[in-house]
Amino acid sequence: GAGVSQSPSNKVTEKGKDVELRCDPISGHTALYWYRQSLGQGLEFLIYFQGNSAPDKSGLPSDRFSAERTGGSVSTLTIQRTQQEDSAVYLCASSLPPPFSTDTQYFGPGTRLTVL
Amino acid sequence: GNSVTQMEGPVTLSEEAFLTINCTYTATGYPSLFWYVQYPGEGLQLLLKATKADDKGSNKGFEATYRKETTSFHLEKGSVQVSDSAVYFCALFNDYKLSFGAGTTVTVRA
Repeated sequence: GAGVSQSPSNKVTEKGKDVELRCDPISGHTALYWYRQSLGQGLEFLIYFQGNSAPDKSGLPSDRFSAERTGGSVSTLTIQRTQQEDSAVYLCASSLPPPFSTDTQYFGPGTRLTVL
Repeated sequence: GNSVTQMEGPVTLSEEAFLTINCTYTATGYPSLFWYVQYPGEGLQLLLKATKADDKGSNKGFEATYRKETTSFHLEKGSVQVSDSAVYFCALFNDYKLSFGAGTTVTVRA
């Protein structure tokens, strides 16, 4: 019975490398969110996908960050040319489509990214 | 814009003590309000929610009431247990996204 799954659970990379983080939402959830949890900034919204609509990218901190959602399900968050300030836990969440409780989001366990 | 301000911790309590964590918000329109909890080594879990003014959310002995007049959503529990030790986040849902408070670390001692 699946909740939101994320992989990898931990990722250590060197500064300047690209990384990809994966999220598999709950089946039937059309909305998918990425958030970042870091010591200095707390929990921040990054990007939101709803069905086939254009994503809301307003929370992405720089153009090094991008995300895709293929087939309305799995999503990949890509960080290019990683910097040490990108070190954080990246959380994925999903929620039901309307007319259900679209405001209630279910979170995955997160990917802890460490940039050396 | 949307923002959430919650009581800073850490908070340390003895078992069976009363817990209150204050939370106030700023938002346009009529947001839904949430408390999420993060137990040590675990992910974020929904604790309770309220979707409109005067609604009370409750779960696991915790309660919070949506107060529009004071723009608040304070979390309370009458008798805490060691297992309630966690980080608690107040959040609001508006503009299709969650905005979180900074989190309050609660430690309950036996």
